[in-house]
Amino acid sequence: GAVVSQHPSWVICKSGTSVKIECRSLDFQATTMFWYRQFPKQSLMLMATSNEGSKATYEQGVEKDKFLINHASLTLSTLTVTSAHPEDSSFYICSASPTRDTQYFGPGTRLTVL
Amino acid sequence: SQKIEQNSEALNIQEGKTATLTCNYTNYSPAYLQWYRQDPGRGPVFLLLIRENEKEKRKERLKVTFDTTLKQSLFHITASQPADSATYLCALGGAGNNRKLIWGLGTSLAVNP
Repeated sequence: GAVVSQHPSWVICKSGTSVKIECRSLDFQATTMFWYRQFPKQSLMLMATSNEGSKATYEQGVEKDKFLINHASLTLSTLTVTSAHPEDSSFYICSASPTRDTQYFGPGTRLTVL
Repeated sequence: SQKIEQNSEALNIQEGKTATLTCNYTNYSPAYLQWYRQDPGRGPVFLLLIRENEKEKRKERLKVTFDTTLKQSLFHITASQPADSATYLCALGGAGNNRKLIWGLGTSLAVNP
């Protein structure tokens, strides 16, 4: 149980295009989902907290107009990287939180912007 | 500001030995602490949670201790196996409804056969 999927697992896009990443909790519901970014040999960096039915809360320094988050249901959150640039290339990971002290992570999405 | 430090160097041990990883923190009073395993190119996998009022937790070959006075957690893997090779992350959680975690950089563990 407690499986979280992400799609796609990897994506390569041209600079200036937008990329959407989906995060789904497959066998449980989560009112809260988190989006992280991880650069090589660095720890997880929280980008935003996504609550179902409300606007996402972004961490300091994360542009909300560039990283659009939609949490339309208790099992789905999406992250759209708009007008992607090479510096946005990273490993994006989501987590779903069914209870206060629990987070289940997706397998991650490797984004490469050319 | 809050800070978490894990073993800065990678840990190399022989199969069958006990691996001990440390997590030290400052400027924070967590309500709980979690340990995760992360393999290359994959998301973290939850291993153990220990709360501020608990001293020790065990799960199969894993043991976690939590000393809120020293502001330190130790993570032990007994009878280590090559399959235990991965990066291990510690994360601190706060009280109340805030579900955000504060993450350490992780310690890379290599278990040699």
